[in-house]
Amino acid sequence: GESVGLHLPTLSVQEGDNSIINCAYSNSASDYFIWYKQESGKGPQFIIDIRSNMDKRQGQRVTVLLNKTVKHLSLQIAATQPGDSAVYFCAENTQGSGRRALTFGSGTRLQVQP
Amino acid sequence: GAVVSQHPSWVICKSGTSVKIECRSLDFQATTMFWYRQFPKQSLMLMATSNEGSKATYEQGVEKDKFLINHASLTLSTLTVTSAHPEDSSFYICSAEGARGYEQYFGPGTRLTVT
Repeated sequence: GESVGLHLPTLSVQEGDNSIINCAYSNSASDYFIWYKQESGKGPQFIIDIRSNMDKRQGQRVTVLLNKTVKHLSLQIAATQPGDSAVYFCAENTQGSGRRALTFGSGTRLQVQP
Repeated sequence: GAVVSQHPSWVICKSGTSVKIECRSLDFQATTMFWYRQFPKQSLMLMATSNEGSKATYEQGVEKDKFLINHASLTLSTLTVTSAHPEDSSFYICSAEGARGYEQYFGPGTRLTVT
């Protein structure tokens, strides 16, 4: 069936470096994508979202890139900090489908080394 | 704004008992709420979509008689795990849909341990 998945299960970076977390999705009809950060024992925290009519969106220290041609989504974190250590999930939704629930990817653990 | 709470944050119960988990939208009304389950080191899996004033819609493979969902008001949805078994031990997370219809605001989760 349709799914959202990730290439890398764990990413280890040095503090201050930039991080790139990738996500592949298979549903070509997906038109809304979100990145969430989840710290241990807590619920997902919204980071940034992007609609399919855009290919880039920037927030504070974060950038999401969307490549619809290859159905790929990435999250870039600039100047990664120890507080960024968490599991990151991409999620997708198809606004026009009537299904309002999100489909989550498998997650990438980001480890920031001091 | 857009704060969602869950209660309790953790619960330990004995096998065969029932446990109720509450999900509240504190500063907004939510016609639709969602219940997810997350096993260790895994992603969130949707269990059901909860609609205020109507029956919940369950995902394939989720037993509706075991996981009872009630959404009696625009700010409260409850999930009751009936006749809990150790395999029901998991992290249960709810989310509430925002006014614009596509944002979801997540609660902090409830850790259920069945002994």
